Amino acid sequence: QQKVQQSPESLIVPEGGMASLNCTSSDRNVDYFWWYRQHSGKSPKMLMSIFSNGEKEEGRFTVHLNKASLHTSLHIRDSQPSDSALYLCAAYQGGRALIFGTGTTVSVSP
Amino acid sequence: EAAVTQSPRNKVTVTGGNVTLSCRQTNSHNYMYWYRQDTGHGLRLIHYSYGAGNLQIGDVPDGYKATRTTQEDFFLLLELASPSQTSLYFCASSGDIQAPLFGEGTRLSVL
Repeated sequence: QQKVQQSPESLIVPEGGMASLNCTSSDRNVDYFWWYRQHSGKSPKMLMSIFSNGEKEEGRFTVHLNKASLHTSLHIRDSQPSDSALYLCAAYQGGRALIFGTGTTVSVSP
Repeated sequence: EAAVTQSPRNKVTVTGGNVTLSCRQTNSHNYMYWYRQDTGHGLRLIHYSYGAGNLQIGDVPDGYKATRTTQEDFFLLLELASPSQTSLYFCASSGDIQAPLFGEGTRLSVL
């Protein structure tokens, strides 16, 4: 069973709209979360990290983390066509490696 | 500039063949990883290492061996390749509690 669950599997967002992506870990030993973005035919690139409870904003991107429920979410406001990509959530358990979810495919329609 | 270089970028082999995928990082990172990416499965961890001579088993290790010969070099070995190992393979490196930096990937086809 996948230890990192992401939803939805895919999302269509109008240009200028808001995209909201969710991620939950079933492993209570997880310490930190990262979000990666992968454009088609490219390698994953780290987008944002969040280590403590609360919210973190960088430009049009905001991440939230609730450590008690091991849930993180990524919100993209004013979505642009260049935001069309696969978004991967990754959970880090101390002493191990990053475990990734199956991803959410975001398509921004002009 | 931080870099992870994978070779070859594309590889075609036959069932039962031997394949070695190579990865080199020039970032002085302790951790190196091998992932495979398949549609519907995201990135799945095969093996990882936290230093030369060290090897840790990931979540999908069956059919794969790995060896970390130096701080910079991490190899993935498929000794009896099967069609189920057709995939996109990524190598990555990181420092402790750092986001891994990925290479450009190797696309492997096993016929």
